[in-house]
Amino acid sequence: GNSVTQMEGPVTLSEEAFLTINCTYTATGYPSLFWYVQYPGEGLQLLLKATKADDKGSNKGFEATYRKETTSFHLEKGSVQVSDSAVYFCALSLYNTDKLIFGTGTRLQVFP
Amino acid sequence: DTGVSQNPRHKITKRGQNVTFRCDPISEHNRLYWYRQTLGQGPEFLTYFQNEAQLEKSRLLSDRFSAERPKGSFSTLEIQRTEQGDSAMYLCASSPEGQGYNEQFFGPGTRLTVL
Repeated sequence: GNSVTQMEGPVTLSEEAFLTINCTYTATGYPSLFWYVQYPGEGLQLLLKATKADDKGSNKGFEATYRKETTSFHLEKGSVQVSDSAVYFCALSLYNTDKLIFGTGTRLQVFP
Repeated sequence: DTGVSQNPRHKITKRGQNVTFRCDPISEHNRLYWYRQTLGQGPEFLTYFQNEAQLEKSRLLSDRFSAERPKGSFSTLEIQRTEQGDSAMYLCASSPEGQGYNEQFFGPGTRLTVL
């Protein structure tokens, strides 16, 4: 079946540290891949996406590269801020349906 | 505000009661999705509509659950004879129709607590 696995949290970092949140997927066909973010008290927001192999999605200093050979889509940021504290969800969708399949989420806590 | 709205934001009910939630999508979006999110988990797909047609339903959507989108605009999700296991955040999202992937915009959710 189709699924997403992401690293468990919480991930606790000091401000300006480097961030990696791992995400791997299993899918039939060729999925599109996404990172969504949920800030405290807010709804899910799309952070970035990649629709085909080797694409790099980027937004707000975050990046993720679609790696078909390793079925991965790891999220990275070179220097995190306290305001990045949130829950991050990796997700996929298949071309013939727009429904999203989410991972369990990873909580990021950034301290000053 | 032209985002996705959901009402109510919170609902507390007793086991066995029926509840109904409403979702108003972004006005020009003809696709509408319902997801359920339990504590510590990612959202799980329940069902989706294209205009007024319900095109897919998850196995998670038991017979006690029904969703409608009668005029292709707002949608309602009803849960009959609620159980404690129904306690969750119910999320609605909408997207435009088009080739390839179309970004889904999520509402703030309705948090259901079944006592």
